Amino acid sequence: SQQGEEDPQALSIQEGENATMNCSYKTSINNLQWYRQNSGRGLVHLILIRSNEREKHSGRLRVTLDTSKKSSSLLITASRAADTASYFCSIGSGNTGKLIFGQGTTLQVKP
Amino acid sequence: EPEVTQTPSHQVTQMGQEVILRCVPISNHLYFYWYRQILGQKVEFLVSFYNNEISEKSEIFDDQFSVERPDGSNFTLKIRSTKLEDSAMYFCASSRQGFMNTEAFFGQGTRLTVV
Repeated sequence: SQQGEEDPQALSIQEGENATMNCSYKTSINNLQWYRQNSGRGLVHLILIRSNEREKHSGRLRVTLDTSKKSSSLLITASRAADTASYFCSIGSGNTGKLIFGQGTTLQVKP
Repeated sequence: EPEVTQTPSHQVTQMGQEVILRCVPISNHLYFYWYRQILGQKVEFLVSFYNNEISEKSEIFDDQFSVERPDGSNFTLKIRSTKLEDSAMYFCASSRQGFMNTEAFFGQGTRLTVV
């Protein structure tokens, strides 16, 4: 399977703490994209990291990619209650733009 | 900010009926996709569409499903003879390019309930 697999499946932290979610995959990729999904809602695009990039930042988000280990991590710094959501990594490969999603990490940030 | 819009947000249909889910992708995007998410499960790829034809489809996307871009703005997913197991959230997505490392943007989804 090409799919990304997130770890942990669930994470509960206090507001202000950092949250780290990991993603592993099995095949070669063009890019890896992280999405957030609030309960019952749509997928919100967070960050795209290309296969030739190692780290990317966007606000409180930091994504790393290690293609030798076929893994990526998403770090949310200084978490807020509003960050409570499910976070998915998705693998972009091939030439049609298809994304393969993992099961996601459910993050709960307690106020 | 441009966004992908989907209608309806909720659809309840009788088993065996046909449904059409509608999407308006972002206007300058060229690649269009449908995904589905069964409650509590991961998001699954159904189909990608480019240049007015299907470019890739998954095993889920069998003859029961079809897609169409009837005009310059809409992108539709038709599900014929719906089954209980078709109940899911269906997401439309679009991207400016398919393979050139551009972000895919998703709509808010249509929750389909087959009864």
